[in-house]
Amino acid sequence: QKEVEQDPGPLSVPEGAIVSLNCTYSNSAFQYFMWYRQYSRKGPELLMYTYSSGNKEDGRFTAQVDKSSKYISLFIRDSQPSDSATYLCAMSAGNRDDKIIFGKGTRLHILP
Amino acid sequence: SQTIHQWPATLVQPVGSPLSLECTVEGTSNPNLYWYRQAAGRGLQLLFYSVGIGQISSEVPQNLSASRPQDRQFILSSKKLLLSDSGFYLCAWSDPLQSTDTQYFGPGTRLTVL
Repeated sequence: QKEVEQDPGPLSVPEGAIVSLNCTYSNSAFQYFMWYRQYSRKGPELLMYTYSSGNKEDGRFTAQVDKSSKYISLFIRDSQPSDSATYLCAMSAGNRDDKIIFGKGTRLHILP
Repeated sequence: SQTIHQWPATLVQPVGSPLSLECTVEGTSNPNLYWYRQAAGRGLQLLFYSVGIGQISSEVPQNLSASRPQDRQFILSSKKLLLSDSGFYLCAWSDPLQSTDTQYFGPGTRLTVL
């Protein structure tokens, strides 16, 4: 079983729809969960990070962590064509010497 | 605020030629530094990371090497490039004092080996 699994997509949704992006993981030691957005031919940029279980909201974006199910989600409300990008989940145990484990990314297309 | 720079942005090199990619970070001290390669459909592959000057850990055995001659400078090198070295190379930094291990990426270098 891979440490982090993420559906590669592509996921195509119409503008204005709610988008749900997900990752599952196997290491119960993970405590910090991140979402990165990567536009084509650019470096990933940190979108959100959360600690342990629960929700975190930032504008149109909501990150959700369910540690009991080892499942994390990123919701995008009122999706815009500018949200079209690859979204990578990432997680770490937070022991400072640990590396971040990245998902392979989901390609998202928002159709105008 | 912190910024991270990479150059060149794009590079086309023949097989067997040498390589030098540079990454510098501004606005922070003693960062952890990372080199990744991103190939289509394969996600981010960690190549090297460094916790200090002259301290390099290699994650994947290959014909690449890394060096950290200064606190905020990280260099990726090769003596002889292979076709398989083509890809998108990303440098990243993190603050070792933060437990989140959050990494911040540079703009990347797209390398094509012909």
